[in-house]
Amino acid sequence: AQSVTQLGSHVSVSEGALVLLRCNYSSSVPPYLFWYVQYPNQGLQLLLKYTSAATLVKGINGFEAEFKKSETSFHLTKPSAHMSDAAEYFCAVMNTGFQKLVFGTGTRLLVSP
Amino acid sequence: NAGVTQTPKFRVLKTGQSMTLLCAQDMNHEYMYWYRQDPGMGLRLIHYSVGEGTTAKGEVPDGYNVSRLKKQNFLLGLESAAPSQTSVYFCASNYRGPTDTQYFGPGTRLTVL
Repeated sequence: AQSVTQLGSHVSVSEGALVLLRCNYSSSVPPYLFWYVQYPNQGLQLLLKYTSAATLVKGINGFEAEFKKSETSFHLTKPSAHMSDAAEYFCAVMNTGFQKLVFGTGTRLLVSP
Repeated sequence: NAGVTQTPKFRVLKTGQSMTLLCAQDMNHEYMYWYRQDPGMGLRLIHYSVGEGTTAKGEVPDGYNVSRLKKQNFLLGLESAAPSQTSVYFCASNYRGPTDTQYFGPGTRLTVL
């Protein structure tokens, strides 16, 4: 069965610093991969998704993620953190053999001034 | 265009009581989903629907029932609430299934005493 592992339940960065949120997936076939963001007291919204068209995927708010098959990873990055990036981030995987999206446990990003 | 709405936003139940959560979407989406979110566990799929009149079990369906009598509405029922069902419940919808972007509602926070 497919799954995702997010390393680190909390990540703290200073404003202006690089953001790196890690996601490793397990899938027996080429996967669809997603990053969703959840701001406090809100539902999730899509940041970006990988559908095999390109390994480097650009999303909203300056975020991007790179699909690395050899490392089974789909890490999320942003060159310079902003206070408004403070939120919880979820990686999710879906493969075409199943009809379900499987979410990771989430990483809370804390941004300090 | 309201997107995905959920009713109610908050609810407190006593063990053994029943209730229904309503999800409504105005985007003419075929697929609808119910998730629960618990600390440290990410989102887990309870039930989903691939079209009007259809429902299917997700990862954690026990203790819940659903109905999709109208395309725009997806109801989640708890027949006899238990403290283990204390959670935040999210509804989501999309056009083409799990490989497509999901649009989430704002959530319902349920406490079972």
